[in-house]
Amino acid sequence: NAGVTQTPKFQVLKTGQSMTLQCAQDMNHEYMSWYRQDPGMGLRLIHYSVGAGITDQGEVPNGYNVSRSTTEDFPLRLLSAAPSQTSVYFCASSNRLASLGELFFGEGSRLTVL
Amino acid sequence: GQQLNQSPQSMFIQEGEDVSMNCTSSSIFNTWLWYKQEPGEGPVLLIALYKAGELTSNGRLTAQFGITRKDSFLNISASIPSDVGIYFCAGQNYGGSQGNLIFGKGTKLSVKP
Repeated sequence: NAGVTQTPKFQVLKTGQSMTLQCAQDMNHEYMSWYRQDPGMGLRLIHYSVGAGITDQGEVPNGYNVSRSTTEDFPLRLLSAAPSQTSVYFCASSNRLASLGELFFGEGSRLTVL
Repeated sequence: GQQLNQSPQSMFIQEGEDVSMNCTSSSIFNTWLWYKQEPGEGPVLLIALYKAGELTSNGRLTAQFGITRKDSFLNISASIPSDVGIYFCAGQNYGGSQGNLIFGKGTKLSVKP
C-alpha cells in the first residue's frame, strides 16, 4: 500500500523558475493538504482541499497554487520560485470519516531555490 | 491566530530514561494529536485524543488531553535509541477542515545509548 507519494524528493531551482510538486494518495481520502517545514518553524499549512474541485488557502499561501481535479492528486505549483521558498514540503491526506487531524504524510520534497 | 507552545525545544537523554514533553495554548482545542518525525521522513501519527482528561497509551508512549482543553502532555517511558526524532503536537477544533489544525514547533529528542 503506497499511501501518500510525493515527487520529486529533491529539486534545485533558480530564482524565477516555476515547477510543480506532485502528490498522489491511493487511500481514497477526501482531504489533502500541503505543508512546508522550516527549521524552528514547525509545519505550516500552505493550501488544502476538502474534495475534488475544492481548494482553500492555509497560513502561508503566497507564491503557491493548487488544484484538485481528482480525489487522488493534489499538485502544488510554484509560479516564480524565490529563495524564501527553500524548504521541505509535505503532502498529507486524511479521511473525513475519521478525525481530520489524523493525517497521513508523504516522505517530503526538499526544494532549494538559488 | 492560534498558536501552540511546545516545550522543551530539544532534549538530550540517556537510554532508559523517561521523557516528558508538553504543549500549551491560550485557546481551547477539541482534539489533540501527537506526531513523530524521524530524520528524512514525514511525520507519523502516534496518539490522538478527543476528550478532556483522556489518557491514552501506545506502547511506551502515554499522552493526556488536559482538563482545561488548553494543553496536552506526552510521556515516553524507558527510552531507546529508535525514539530519536522530532515530536510534534497538534490541536484542532470542531467544524473545520484541515485549516483548523495547528502544529507546535516540535521537540527534538536525542537518545544516547
